[in-house]
Parts: sequence; structure tokens; C-alpha cells
Amino acid sequence: GQSLEQPSEVTAVEGAIVQINCTYQTSGFYGLSWYQQHDGGAPTFLSYNALDGLEETGRFSSFLSRSDSYGYLLLQELQMKDSASYFCAVRDQDDKIIFGKGTRLHILP
Amino acid sequence: DTGVSQNPRHKITKRGQNVTFRCDPISEHNRLYWYRQTLGQGPEFLTYFQNEAQLEKSRLLSDRFSAERPKGSFSTLEIQRTEQGDSAMYLCASSPGTSGRYNEQFFGPGTRLTVL
Repeated sequence: GQSLEQPSEVTAVEGAIVQINCTYQTSGFYGLSWYQQHDGGAPTFLSYNALDGLEETGRFSSFLSRSDSYGYLLLQELQMKDSASYFCAVRDQDDKIIFGKGTRLHILP
Repeated sequence: DTGVSQNPRHKITKRGQNVTFRCDPISEHNRLYWYRQTLGQGPEFLTYFQNEAQLEKSRLLSDRFSAERPKGSFSTLEIQRTEQGDSAMYLCASSPGTSGRYNEQFFGPGTRLTVL
């Protein structure tokens, strides 16, 4: 079966840095994406890695290691508005997008 | 174009009734996906379209579910003989028509279905 594993919850302090990990096992791999979802809202696209390495977009960075079937999302200079759920997602060989169960990020003042 | 829209935003129905949801994607996007999301879970893939062609459907999806995208623009998702377990948020997403951007999905606000 296909699965993506990520921690269910992470807690960090405002202004700090937090890393959310994701490991995947899928039928084929055509890129790892990250999405943010606030309570009551729809998921919004954050970043995408097709190749190994680090992609940086402002305060958010995403990393991929295809040999380890692993990636992470790094959030820097945390702000209270970053409190949300974060999902990793993989595009598989059939072009389906498979999402993880999500990591709920709690930010303390 | 202001983004992906979905109608209705909320639907309450009685068990056994049929319901239909509509999704209007971003106009230049040729891929359209349907997902189901329950509380505390990630979006669960249901099906997707490339233009008007339905290319993939989840093997877990009951045959009570059917989706169409007749002219490659808007799409409808119909659930027949609804069950209480169908209660969820139904999300639609579209993505640009280039292979390198299929992973970049733009989601609509969703339709929340409650089956009594």
C-alpha cells in the first residue's frame, strides 16, 4: 500500500525554527509537495521538490532525499499565524496525489 | 479568475438521498482533482480529470460515487444513496497543465456534507 508518515503534532516557540519530517512509500514518485491548512480553511500550496536538495521560499524551505524516501519542511522565524496543519503529498506513478495525515503545528508565545 | 469555486458550501441530506456537488476550476488549468477530508485526516484522493477524461479513480471509492467533467471545464461529483459514513468535506483542486506543476494544486473552499 501507499503511505506517508509524518508526526501528528509539533510544538514550537514564536520566533524559533521547526522541522516537520515526512517519509513516504508510494508506487512511483514524481515529486513531494507541502501544503498548509488553517482550521476551517482549504489546503494551500507551499512548496514542491522533484529533485534532491533544498528549496527555499521566504521563511519556508523544503528538502528531499529520494534515496531515503524522506523529506522535510523547515519553518523559520515562526509567527503565531503559522499555527496550522501541514501536509506532505506525493504524486505517484498514476499521477494521483497522496497526502499524509498531517502535522498540527502549535506555536507558543 | 479568482480561484477554484465549489457549490454548495454546505449540504445536509438524509440517508439514502442523492447529492451532487459542483466545482469550477481555474480556467486555464486542465487537471481537476476531487478529494474527501474528514476531521484530523489529510485529503483522500477520489478521482482526477485531464480535460474531460477521467484518468484515475480510487480503488476504495464505492460505485455510489461518480464524477464528470463534460466539457473539460467544471466538474460534478454525485453520491447516490448517501450513507452516514459519507459525511465529510469534499474538496476540489485544479493544477496547471504542465507536468512540472501537477503537484501544485489550487484548492477550492470545499463542500461540507452532513448525512443524517
